[in-house]
Amino acid sequence: DTGVSQDPRHKITKRGQNVTFRCDPISEHNRLYWYRQTLGQGPEFLTYFQNEAQLEKSRLLSDRFSAERPKGSFSTLEIQRTEQGDSAMYLCASSFPDRGRGEQFFGPGTRLTVL
Amino acid sequence: GESVGLHLPTLSVQEGDNSIINCAYSNSASDYFIWYKQESGKGPQFIIDIRSNMDKRQGQRVTVLLNKTVKHLSLQIAATQPGDSAVYFCAEIGTPDFGNEKLTFGTGTRLTIIP
Repeated sequence: DTGVSQDPRHKITKRGQNVTFRCDPISEHNRLYWYRQTLGQGPEFLTYFQNEAQLEKSRLLSDRFSAERPKGSFSTLEIQRTEQGDSAMYLCASSFPDRGRGEQFFGPGTRLTVL
Repeated sequence: GESVGLHLPTLSVQEGDNSIINCAYSNSASDYFIWYKQESGKGPQFIIDIRSNMDKRQGQRVTVLLNKTVKHLSLQIAATQPGDSAVYFCAEIGTPDFGNEKLTFGTGTRLTIIP
């Protein structure tokens, strides 16, 4: 399967713990996005990478959140000192410049539950 | 703030009939509009997009209409099939910056195809 993959698919953690999610984009895609989706809502933009450079972060991304894409390939999203309000689906998407604007390829998401 | 919203949260359509999903947007500077389909347990999947200088675009069984005068977007699905059952999101790209294609999603419409 050459689509976007995310790991883990599900994560249950206790409040106050740190969690890290991984995203592997489609190999030739140089743009990578993280979104957060809560039940019944559309995805909300968190951050964006072009190659290894993090070019934009949403105000939703508090100081407890950090994202990296060290070699311009896979990306990690870490949440420190998790809170119950962090419970959501975290989606990763990638795109390539020559495709139509807005055509992003999404992974299956990581569902985080904070107890 | 700028937002993208949908008129109806749920829609049920008989198999074989046509369906229309509507979306209103508020950002008059939006440059691109996109429709995504999200099936249960999966990430959103790109369906079709339309640029702000167009008013209609057709794909396979789908047509997107854009009315900039009233800031309204619609997705028409012809001859619906059971596999069309999903949540449909409209999304927009508000910036003309071709480097960043962050999507702003609406809340979604759940389409159910009745066999």
